[in-house]
Amino acid sequence: AQTVTQSQPEMSVQEAETVTLSCTYDTSENNYYLFWYKQPPSRQMILVIRQEAYKQQNATENRFSVNFQKAAKSFSLKISDSQLGDTAMYFCAFMAHSGGSNYKLTFGKGTLLTVNP
Amino acid sequence: GAVVSQHPSRVICKSGTSVKIECRSLDFQATTMFWYRQFPKQSLMLMATSNEGSKATYEQGVEKDKFLINHASLTLSTLTVTSAHPEDSSFYICSARDMGGGDNQPQHFGDGTRLSIL
Repeated sequence: AQTVTQSQPEMSVQEAETVTLSCTYDTSENNYYLFWYKQPPSRQMILVIRQEAYKQQNATENRFSVNFQKAAKSFSLKISDSQLGDTAMYFCAFMAHSGGSNYKLTFGKGTLLTVNP
Repeated sequence: GAVVSQHPSRVICKSGTSVKIECRSLDFQATTMFWYRQFPKQSLMLMATSNEGSKATYEQGVEKDKFLINHASLTLSTLTVTSAHPEDSSFYICSARDMGGGDNQPQHFGDGTRLSIL
């Protein structure tokens, strides 16, 4: 079974600054995918970024980037130039790439990020 | 992009009522959909995996007779909370994967249903 750990229940950052959210995971799988989802107060789940485990290059989406360390099983999210609209709960998620997993997601407990003006 | 529609967004009803929640993939087909439950300030808890044309797969501890799942087509899954009681009050979210998009396709989520049982 997979586990996903987010060790920071809450974080805050000043607008325009950079913040990094931590995520570690445990798995015996070799092929898998990792995701960061954002859940604002509206409670809609929004995909922020994804990473294929077989790719060494870290994924980037505009102001969002990840630091994927496969050997350390670490998958942190960096948000640059933080904006007020980034205030949300952020969930790290793992998906095994195997038929038996049925592509289920395993979520961490989340990190509540507050961007202060 | 891939859109998942979930309806209704809010339900308030009396104890003992059965409540049906619909999850539709609007612009893609999904052989598999997922149903989650989320308590306040907590993470999403997977309840069951809905498989088109076959029985749903329930996670450990989830009562299949309480939470009935039907996935009759490639674009629609329904969750029925039978004889709902106040302890069933929660936020329920569905998700779906685009079966034609490749293995790396993420789950796309509906906007959720806030269920309140009086």
